[in-house]
Amino acid sequence: DGGITQSPKYLFRKEGQNVTLSCEQNLNHDAMYWYRQDPGQGLRLIYYSQIVNDFQKGDIAEGYSVSREKKESFPLTVTSAQKNPTAFYLCASSITGGTLYGYTFGSGTRLTVV
Amino acid sequence: DQQVKQNSPSLSVQEGRISILNCDYTNSMFDYFLWYKKYPAEGPTFLISISSIKDKNEDGRFTVFLNKSAKHLSLHIVPSQPGDSAVYFCLGGSSNTGKLIFGQGTTLQVKP
Repeated sequence: DGGITQSPKYLFRKEGQNVTLSCEQNLNHDAMYWYRQDPGQGLRLIYYSQIVNDFQKGDIAEGYSVSREKKESFPLTVTSAQKNPTAFYLCASSITGGTLYGYTFGSGTRLTVV
Repeated sequence: DQQVKQNSPSLSVQEGRISILNCDYTNSMFDYFLWYKKYPAEGPTFLISISSIKDKNEDGRFTVFLNKSAKHLSLHIVPSQPGDSAVYFCLGGSSNTGKLIFGQGTTLQVKP
């Protein structure tokens, strides 16, 4: 079955540690996205990538980093510079950078920093 | 800068009646819009989309209306069913930049 896999579903880290969230897709999609959800604030765009080895900052990129070395993978690193890292993180992909036919989302990773 | 706004955080309707979810946008670069439905601890699932060159798109019980001059769109669900209870997100997208922006979401509750 084709889809997006985010792992792990729940992640706990100590304050000050970097942590990398995994996102893998086998849909042959060119574009991939990372969003963050906080209570009452909807989903906010962190980073997106339209093609391998290229990515752009979204609205809240500070404290995060990404890489796109392979088409299938778009890992997100939450660095110690991110002041409020505890949140629900969603990864998505699409055929191209813009499409009417929808985007496929992963099931999310809930990160808790203690 | 909230480019896509859903000003109603919640909506409650009776089963069988119409649900109308509203969305406003400010970015003129958006050339398509999507509606997604989300249950807790799950990823959003696609409902319906509309191109900026259209003013209406219908799919079963779901219809999206777009008013470009007012920069406003709405999602109509008729008839509403208890299984429709979820958070609904409006999204604006630009095929030029590849950027996709979410609204804050509206929690719909359909009462039996």
